[in-house]
Amino acid sequence: GNSVTQMEGPVTLSEEAFLTINCTYTATGYPSLFWYVQYPGEGLQLLLKATKADDKGSNKGFEATYRKETTSFHLEKGSVQVSDSAVYFCALSSKTNAGGTSYGKLTFGQGTILTVHP
Amino acid sequence: KAGVTQTPRYLIKTRGQQVTLSCSPISGHRSVSWYQQTPGQGLQFLFEYFSETQRNKGNFPGRFSGRQFSNSRSEMNVSTLELGDSALYLCASSLGGTGSTDTQYFGPGTRLTVL
Repeated sequence: GNSVTQMEGPVTLSEEAFLTINCTYTATGYPSLFWYVQYPGEGLQLLLKATKADDKGSNKGFEATYRKETTSFHLEKGSVQVSDSAVYFCALSSKTNAGGTSYGKLTFGQGTILTVHP
Repeated sequence: KAGVTQTPRYLIKTRGQQVTLSCSPISGHRSVSWYQQTPGQGLQFLFEYFSETQRNKGNFPGRFSGRQFSNSRSEMNVSTLELGDSALYLCASSLGGTGSTDTQYFGPGTRLTVL
């Protein structure tokens, strides 16, 4: 079955530091890949996505490139801010197969807690 | 365009009771998926509804059920609550296409506490 593995957290950085959160996946076929962010007491917000190999998703200074050869989708940001402190989730969705076992289902990594200090 | 809304935001119940949670999707979205989020298990898929039909179901006991109405609003029900059902319940809506590119947008969640 599908699975997503994220780097162990938590991650603590100083403001303006470079951020990398690693994400690798196992899936059949050609999944789409997503990064979601969750702020305290809130639901998940879509941060960025990529739907095919070599696609780069980007939003709010965050970037991630879909690497099929390494089955990875690492999240990066060149200069983090205190307001980026949150939990980050990598996720994938598969094309629906004949059995319908992928309908509406995202498979998530365990989440990485990011804390940015001034 | 309004986002996904969930009601109520917080619930406190006791063991053995049942609970119903509601989710209103983004206008035009026909698919609603439900997830359970706990510190120990992370985010787990419960089920998905499209055009009033359950298309997919995760590995949860039959105490967890759901339905979808003709306006795409969805409800999930948990009967005979157990302490382990305490969690944040998230719903997400999407257009509902069968390709992997269908993007889900999440609501703020309902925090359920079972005492």
